[in-house]
Amino acid sequence: EAQVTQNPRYLITVTGKKLTVTCSQNMNHEYMSWYRQDPGLGLRQIYYSMNVEVTDKGDVPEGYKVSRKEKRNFPLILESPSPNQTSLYFCATSRAGISYEQYFGPGTRLTVT
Amino acid sequence: GEDVEQSLFLSVREGDSSVINCTYTDSSSTYLYWYKQEPGAGLQLLTYIFSNMDMKQDQRLTVLLNKKDKHLSLRIADTQTGDSAIYFCAESLRTGGGNKLTFGTGTQLKVEL
Repeated sequence: EAQVTQNPRYLITVTGKKLTVTCSQNMNHEYMSWYRQDPGLGLRQIYYSMNVEVTDKGDVPEGYKVSRKEKRNFPLILESPSPNQTSLYFCATSRAGISYEQYFGPGTRLTVT
Repeated sequence: GEDVEQSLFLSVREGDSSVINCTYTDSSSTYLYWYKQEPGAGLQLLTYIFSNMDMKQDQRLTVLLNKKDKHLSLRIADTQTGDSAIYFCAESLRTGGGNKLTFGTGTQLKVEL
């Protein structure tokens, strides 16, 4: 079964405590991306990766890091989380190429106090 | 620039048709999408339309694209309570980012009995 998994699904943490949200896909997709969803703002892209070792900034990359060491995994790293990073985060994957459907993970709800 | 707008709420009676509207600003959009988000879930692709098409029908769903006015709509015929969700339109742009999607703010559809 084609899957995009994210862990954890829910996380409450404190300001400044480093955290990583994992994203894994089993579809051998080249393209992976992270979005955050905030009320009234829709989804905004944080970072994306076109393939292994190829990553680039999206629209709201400040305060985030990513890595793509393997094709199936694309972790999102918050080195020093702040309350304005409280949000719902989605990982998405697709084959390379503009016409291919993006598959979304189930989301990670992060609260930073 | 990239800007995708939707109204925030729509309420319809079960059995009626729903029409969800979206406007976008970037004329270089290649594909336009409609995604559905049910409570507590990720985004699910409902349908998409290529930018050189005017209309696409898929069972109860009809997508209309007015490229001149940069207006996209999704019509759901015979709306059911299971259609209650947030609906996002998104555009796909030919950028160095390949598959980047720019999302609207989402329209919350409420179906009343």
